[in-house]
Amino acid sequence: GNSVTQMEGPVTLSEEAFLTINCTYTATGYPSLFWYVQYPGEGLQLLLKATKADDKGSNKGFEATYRKETTSFHLEKGSVQVSDSAVYFCALSDQGTGGFKTIFGAGTRLFVKA
Amino acid sequence: GAVVSQHPSRVICKSGTSVKIECRSLDFQATTMFWYRQFPKQSLMLMATSNEGSKATYEQGVEKDKFLINHASLTLSTLTVTSAHPEDSSFYICSARDPGYYGYTFGSGTRLTVV
Repeated sequence: GNSVTQMEGPVTLSEEAFLTINCTYTATGYPSLFWYVQYPGEGLQLLLKATKADDKGSNKGFEATYRKETTSFHLEKGSVQVSDSAVYFCALSDQGTGGFKTIFGAGTRLFVKA
Repeated sequence: GAVVSQHPSRVICKSGTSVKIECRSLDFQATTMFWYRQFPKQSLMLMATSNEGSKATYEQGVEKDKFLINHASLTLSTLTVTSAHPEDSSFYICSARDPGYYGYTFGSGTRLTVV
């Protein structure tokens, strides 16, 4: 079945450092890929998405490119801020027998120090 | 953009009582909504798919008599945790598919604590 694997955290960075959070997936079809962010005590917010191979999703300085050949969707940001501290979830959405479902990775907690 | 409102955000209840959580799509119609459960420092686990006007579809291992789901209208789905026990304490999140794109909009979550 479909699955999402992302790097374990926590990831601790200093402000203005470069961020990469790795995400790989397995899917039988052609899924859409997402990154969601969860701030403490809150629900999930969509950060960015890509719906087909070679698409690049971007938002708030974050980017991720849908790489079909490596089945990856790594999240990157050139210069992180303290306010980026949160948990980041990689996810895929694909249509199965039960309709569209979203499968989440385990989440990666990011701490950014001033 | 699409907004999903979830209520309450926090609830504390006594063991043995029932708790209802509401999930509303505010500016769009959602024929399908999803209910997730999140344990501390873990990912979201899909509990069930809520279908307007029909029975919910539960994931394997989820007790449908324990977690009652009702999707009576195109904008409202409810999750009722019946006869709650401390092990039901968790963060529950609903979502609905945004008709504008291949993505999902999530509610802000409900922190349930059973004492």
